[in-house]
Amino acid sequence: GAGVSQSPSNKVTEKGKDVELRCDPISGHTALYWYRQSLGQGLEFLIYFQGNSAPDKSGLPSDRFSAERTGGSVSTLTIQRTQQEDSAVYLCASSSRAGTSGQETQYFGPGTRLLVL
Amino acid sequence: KNQVEQSPQSLIILEGKNCTLQCNYTVSPFSNLRWYKQDTGRGPVSLTIMTFSENTKSNGRYTATLDADTKQSSLHITASQLSDSASYICVVSGGYNAGNMLTFGGGTRLMVKP
Repeated sequence: GAGVSQSPSNKVTEKGKDVELRCDPISGHTALYWYRQSLGQGLEFLIYFQGNSAPDKSGLPSDRFSAERTGGSVSTLTIQRTQQEDSAVYLCASSSRAGTSGQETQYFGPGTRLLVL
Repeated sequence: KNQVEQSPQSLIILEGKNCTLQCNYTVSPFSNLRWYKQDTGRGPVSLTIMTFSENTKSNGRYTATLDADTKQSSLHITASQLSDSASYICVVSGGYNAGNMLTFGGGTRLMVKP
């Protein structure tokens, strides 16, 4: 497809388990972002990848959260020892970096709905 | 601290009516401001983007305004339709020198009733 895809679309897990969320960005997009959207809350920035540069991890809420981006394309967000407060929609977005105007639009995936019981 | 505040939090209007959503921000540096529409269960979709020098931008029935001096933006929806029911999110970008980081508002949940 032409858009950003994420999998799984829904994930239910038990407290303490690890989960992996996957994001396939738009082909050719060098920038990739992960966000978290809790129920009734705004979007919260988690991590940002740009090409081969070191990722900006400033938004990760704890060391239980980590993300990788292999080959500059697919990204995986891993949450270890999940807690109930991790329940949220995890959104991935990608953008091109053709210029330096800062106006590159981020295209969002449909999100992964995570429920930690 | 960079912040984006939106009002109202929720809004109910009748089909065919107009409405205006507000966004106030304290983000520095500032590069551009975007409005996104997020349907329930979907990711946000970009509606408009405005830079510092632009004070109005239209996309069909959506018109966004920006006052960079007062750091305020509005999104006006004309002749609302049932399909306009969604959350509308105001997003401010710090631009290239800020790593293109975005600060998101909490959104306005709009419901259009027949």
